[in-house]
Amino acid sequence: SQTIHQWPATLVQPVGSPLSLECTVEGTSNPNLYWYRQAAGRGLQLLFYSVGIGQISSEVPQNLSASRPQDRQFILSSKKLLLSDSGFYLCAWSTGSRTEAFFGQGTRLTVV
Amino acid sequence: DQQVKQNSPSLSVQEGRISILNCDYTNSMFDYFLWYKKYPAEGPTFLISISSIKDKNEDGRFTVFLNKSAKHLSLHIVPSQPGDSAVYFCAASAGGSEKLVFGKGTKLTVNP
Repeated sequence: SQTIHQWPATLVQPVGSPLSLECTVEGTSNPNLYWYRQAAGRGLQLLFYSVGIGQISSEVPQNLSASRPQDRQFILSSKKLLLSDSGFYLCAWSTGSRTEAFFGQGTRLTVV
Repeated sequence: DQQVKQNSPSLSVQEGRISILNCDYTNSMFDYFLWYKKYPAEGPTFLISISSIKDKNEDGRFTVFLNKSAKHLSLHIVPSQPGDSAVYFCAASAGGSEKLVFGKGTKLTVNP
């Protein structure tokens, strides 16, 4: 069966510090991978998605970047965090279009 | 521009009664719709989906209705149970796109 791992579960980082959140998927090949953010009152906002290794589509101009160094690994990064980067970050995977996406447990990021 | 709208931030119902969660969309290219359930500090879990070629899909206590002319879909939960208390997200994708666009969510509370 397929599983998705996302870590860490919680993170408190100072303003200006770097960020690296990692997500890995097991039990499937060539998944679509996604990073979403849930901010207060904003619902689930799609940040990045990837349909293959090295292929990243950015949805929202911001202080963040994403990379997919391996087929089932998706990384969310920032060189310098802002207070506005605080939120609940969710990684997800799917097998393609017109299919459901499956989410990880999320990372609660607080920038102080 | 919010393409998927859930205009009710919250809904409260009695156990055993019907819960009706509503969702409107503006993008006429959307052809696949999903509902997710989310508990605090967890990732969303997939509930049910519907393709635009259908107007109804049922899975146990959950039924999704799609009205394409009105660009409206709804999720019916019958009978409602206290364990259904969660935030429900509506999501949509367009014509083979890899992206899922989410609404802001509706918090459902089912009272015993």
